[in-house]
Amino acid sequence: EAGVVQSPRYKIIEKKQPVAFWCNPISGHNTLYWYLQNLGQGPELLIRYENEEAVDDSQLPKDRFSAERLKGVDSTLKIQPAELGDSAVYLCASSLDPGGLDTQYFGPGTRLTVL
Amino acid sequence: RKEVEQDPGPFNVPEGATVAFNCTYSNSASQSFFWYRQDCRKEPKLLMSVYSSGNEDGRFTAQLNRASQYISLLIRDSKLSDSATYLCVVNMGNDMRFGAGTRLTVKP
Repeated sequence: EAGVVQSPRYKIIEKKQPVAFWCNPISGHNTLYWYLQNLGQGPELLIRYENEEAVDDSQLPKDRFSAERLKGVDSTLKIQPAELGDSAVYLCASSLDPGGLDTQYFGPGTRLTVL
Repeated sequence: RKEVEQDPGPFNVPEGATVAFNCTYSNSASQSFFWYRQDCRKEPKLLMSVYSSGNEDGRFTAQLNRASQYISLLIRDSKLSDSATYLCVVNMGNDMRFGAGTRLTVKP
């Protein structure tokens, strides 16, 4: 069975440019998470979806970050414009059940470098 | 105070050693607890869930102390392949909160 798929794996952009990350969760997983991970830190939740509904986006910097999961399957996270401090690994995860009681399966992440 | 705090590490131990990590959490209403393992430049992967009665999986033992709000992970007979960062994860309401991780290096 395929795991969580993310693309691209690496992205280098200049500051003020837009960037988008794509995630396809494990088939049948209704809950999808986007995390940001800085070096030496644990993942920090940006947004959680239950199907196509964003049920927790309190940690998402809405002035420059946006996300969508239109059909309740794959999802896109966008940053516009990117800032130097956005350099990090962006992880997508999915789980079968909602509520955070179930195992989360992570994708390989997108490593973003903003110059 | 951070929601989830872990031993800062790093832990450098010889093969065969026993090592223990602790993790404290701030929300007394937290419902579920996990240990994830993350290898260098890889994604986190579930190591084990932590149950109220404590649980064991081979060389790994997890304990939960709700009164003191901490969980622990014990690794016995450390192997070189155990070298990784161990992330404590706590469900706070409907969201998971990750600790910063404790880095373990097992040396020959």
